[in-house]
Amino acid sequence: NAGVTQTPKFQVLKTGQSMTLQCAQDMNHEYMSWYRQDPGMGLRLIHYSVGAGITDQGEVPNGYNVSRSTTEDFPLRLLSAAPSQTSVYFCASMHHSGGASNEQFFGPGTRLTVL
Amino acid sequence: TQLLEQSPQFLSIQEGENLTVYCNSSSVFSSLQWYRQEPGEGPVLLVTVVTGGEVKKLKRLTFQFGDARKDSSLHITAAQPGDTGLYLCAVTTSGTYKYIFGTGTRLKVLA
Repeated sequence: NAGVTQTPKFQVLKTGQSMTLQCAQDMNHEYMSWYRQDPGMGLRLIHYSVGAGITDQGEVPNGYNVSRSTTEDFPLRLLSAAPSQTSVYFCASMHHSGGASNEQFFGPGTRLTVL
Repeated sequence: TQLLEQSPQFLSIQEGENLTVYCNSSSVFSSLQWYRQEPGEGPVLLVTVVTGGEVKKLKRLTFQFGDARKDSSLHITAAQPGDTGLYLCAVTTSGTYKYIFGTGTRLKVLA
């Protein structure tokens, strides 16, 4: 199993450009999520999904869109990039068994710079 | 206001020393998780604690959940360079699957 994969690994954008960060998992996990990690801020939840066709907002959703058309994929879209979105982005997946203490498996991250 | 406060923020110690890091909150949680993140990688789950007062051991790492389920500690005995990394605690807000992470403790163990 590849686990959770993210592409690209690095990306540089200009202000106002759009792009999609890709995330895929091959563990048949129902739950998937996107986080951003900034120095001194830990990980902050952007959006999450508990199954195909279901998404919800996390702590910092503004400026980001998501969709979940399949169990495997959970892309994160930046419609108009801003310098404040410079960060490292992590995707995670988890078996959604009904408990809140399950293990999230994280991808290797995408380092995004917005100029 | 940060829901989860971790301390210390940074810690640099010599190999063989013992250390304790803390995760504190004013809220009560049904469970709490500890993750370790190495440079350039995503976090990896170390342990989940669910019962007030619970102690779990993972080799040289000892995790404790506070009696009131508001705080937790991680104690490392005889630290090794391989323990170097960012240690994060995480919880979910009541009735949701919204995970909240602490700001982390960045540990460096010198050989």
